[in-house]
Amino acid sequence: LAKTTQPISMDSYEGQEVNITCSHNNIATNDYITWYQQFPSQGPRFIIQGYKTKVTNEVASLFIPADRKSSTLSLPRVSLSDTAVYYCLVDPNNAGNMLTFGGGTRLMVKP
Amino acid sequence: NAGVTQTPKFRVLKTGQSMTLLCAQDMNHEYMYWYRQDPGMGLRLIHYSVGEGTTAKGEVPDGYNVSRLKKQNFLLGLESAAPSQTSVYFCASTKGTGGLTEAFFGQGTRLTVV
Repeated sequence: LAKTTQPISMDSYEGQEVNITCSHNNIATNDYITWYQQFPSQGPRFIIQGYKTKVTNEVASLFIPADRKSSTLSLPRVSLSDTAVYYCLVDPNNAGNMLTFGGGTRLMVKP
Repeated sequence: NAGVTQTPKFRVLKTGQSMTLLCAQDMNHEYMYWYRQDPGMGLRLIHYSVGEGTTAKGEVPDGYNVSRLKKQNFLLGLESAAPSQTSVYFCASTKGTGGLTEAFFGQGTRLTVV
């Protein structure tokens, strides 16, 4: 399973764009990259998933370079309610067999 | 559509007692998972199942057993609870192979072993 590495924590201010980078140096050809968000006392919530290049939805954008050894979750114009833990996962074969979470990145958005 | 439902939401056990946590999903998902989350930490996979009648060990399976007798239910058992098993337990499900593998999580079960 590809191991992921992300910053432990990040601080930002309301209205700023936040970019969280995840390293997955040994990602395999069939692996997909998925990001989840977790608020205190709640289960994680799916944000976005991608395989290569760029994926955008109503919540975030996911940038994946050609070598796929890293990925960047971009949150545009964050608000206080975006304060949460963000997890980067590598999903073998997009099969969901072993969805393992690392420690995640604790994002604190300040007023 | 309830999604993923965990029962109970809270429980206090004495050391050595046993209990079963129930996870039920109504999305006809093939894959189901049990995680534990200790304070300030990420989620750790305990056991998972890729279909009815099948189970597999995750990262931290010791002290837990699971069963998937029905596709919609995934049970997590603690035969002899220990204080180290004090944690928040989350259940999740995904549709399985093919396409987007978005995981849906339950609301969690807060377990305290004294």
